[in-house]
Amino acid sequence: AQRVTQPEKLLSVFKGAPVELKCNYSYSGSPELFWYVQYSRQRLQLLLRHISRESIKGFTADLNKGETSFHLKKPFAQEEDSAMYYCALKRKGRYSTLTFGKGTMLLVSP
Amino acid sequence: ETGVTQSPTHLIKTRGQQVTLRCSSQSGHNTVSWYQQALGQGPQFIFQYYREEENGRGNFPPRFSGLQFPNYSSELNVNALELDDSALYLCASSVGQGSGEAFFGQGTRLTVV
Repeated sequence: AQRVTQPEKLLSVFKGAPVELKCNYSYSGSPELFWYVQYSRQRLQLLLRHISRESIKGFTADLNKGETSFHLKKPFAQEEDSAMYYCALKRKGRYSTLTFGKGTMLLVSP
Repeated sequence: ETGVTQSPTHLIKTRGQQVTLRCSSQSGHNTVSWYQQALGQGPQFIFQYYREEENGRGNFPPRFSGLQFPNYSSELNVNALELDDSALYLCASSVGQGSGEAFFGQGTRLTVV
C-alpha cells in the first residue's frame, strides 16, 4: 500500500526566507506526485504536479525516486504563501485516486 | 463553468442516525471521489464513482455508501453514525476515472454527538 509522510506539522519562517516543505512517499510502483494547497477559508486546490515540471507561484518540487521524496521549495517566502500544504500520491493507471499526507502548515511572518 | 459544490456546509447528527451528503460535480466531469478529513489529518479516500458505478473504494466499512446520478452528481450516505465519523467530507470531481486533475468542493463539516 502507498503512504505519504510529511514530517512537519508546522513550518514558520520570515518573509523572504527560503522554504522547504518535506514529503516522502512509499510505493512499489511508479507514482504521480502532487502538492495541494489550502488557503484560509478556501477549498483544497492543486498547486503543482511532478509530471508538469513547472513553477507555480515561485514553488518548485522535484521527484527524487532514489530518496522517494518530493519536497516543495521556494527561494523567497511571501506572506500570502501562508496556508496548509498537502503532498499527495496517485498510482498511475485507471481508477487512480489520491493518497494524502497529513499536511504541513506554513506560516510566513512579516 | 461551475465548480464543485457540496451541501450542506455544516451538519450535526446524533450517534446511530443516518446522513446523506451531496455533491455537484464540475461541468464536464464524469468522475466523483469522496474523502474524509478528520481533524489534523489529510484527506482519506472513501470511494470513487465513474458513470454511476463505484470503481474504487478505500478502507471504509459498508455503512459508508454512495450513488452517482446520470448528471454525475453524487451522494455519500453514512448509516449508524459513530462519534469518530465527525470530520470534514470532501468531494472531488475529475474526468477519465480519476486520471485528470481533481477539483475539490468546499466540504461538509459533519459533527456526530
